[in-house]
Amino acid sequence: QSVLTQPPSMSAAPGQKVTISCSGSSSNIGNNYVSWYQQLPGTAPKLLIYENNKRPSGIPDRFSGSRSGTSATLGITGLHTGDEADYYCGTWDSSLSAFWVFGGGTKLTVL
Amino acid sequence: QVQLVQSGAEVKKPGASVKVSCKASGYTFTSYYIHWVRRAPGQGLEWMGLINPSGGPTSYPQNLQGRVTVTRDTSTSTVYMELSSLTSEDTAVYYCARTQLGTTLMDIWGQGTMVTVSS
Repeated sequence: QSVLTQPPSMSAAPGQKVTISCSGSSSNIGNNYVSWYQQLPGTAPKLLIYENNKRPSGIPDRFSGSRSGTSATLGITGLHTGDEADYYCGTWDSSLSAFWVFGGGTKLTVL
Repeated sequence: QVQLVQSGAEVKKPGASVKVSCKASGYTFTSYYIHWVRRAPGQGLEWMGLINPSGGPTSYPQNLQGRVTVTRDTSTSTVYMELSSLTSEDTAVYYCARTQLGTTLMDIWGQGTMVTVSS
């Protein structure tokens, strides 16, 4: 069971918008920046969003992030089939159990 | 260019240990933490630990304490992750990733190393 809670799966049609939630606590999201990662099948994870809402060079502005309190959200607009992937939120955690935590992941299907 | 290159796939028997390497290049090795993350079949990403290559301090999650050890060799800019007392539940793809000291993002990832535990 992950410290950060994400919906296990979501689906949307091409061209539509989806928002993926990530819920945590004051020991992680509430006091640390959140980053988001995209993992396409058979590949390593890739950084999508950092410091809650910033995009690394090369990431299109169809991807956005936000944080409010102890929750964070990843938004993807203009979906296409190439966005089918697993998406993870992650951040530091100040509890004793782990120094870094990931969400359980959300499998996005574009159909 | 900046990259992390990991060692090749491994097949181990239950009870054995495995040691995976992650060689960094293209940046100042001591300016970035190196994390280890794994993904087992049908599961999500699991954080396994990190090392500060500058001074060598490490941090591990409670559920892996005593079984995982991360070390580094600054002369070759290589980080190692050793996992002992393997079971079938340790079958996974293992990744290394870097985080700049003082930040909250893993910006460069290794290509992954498949570790299979089977009798």
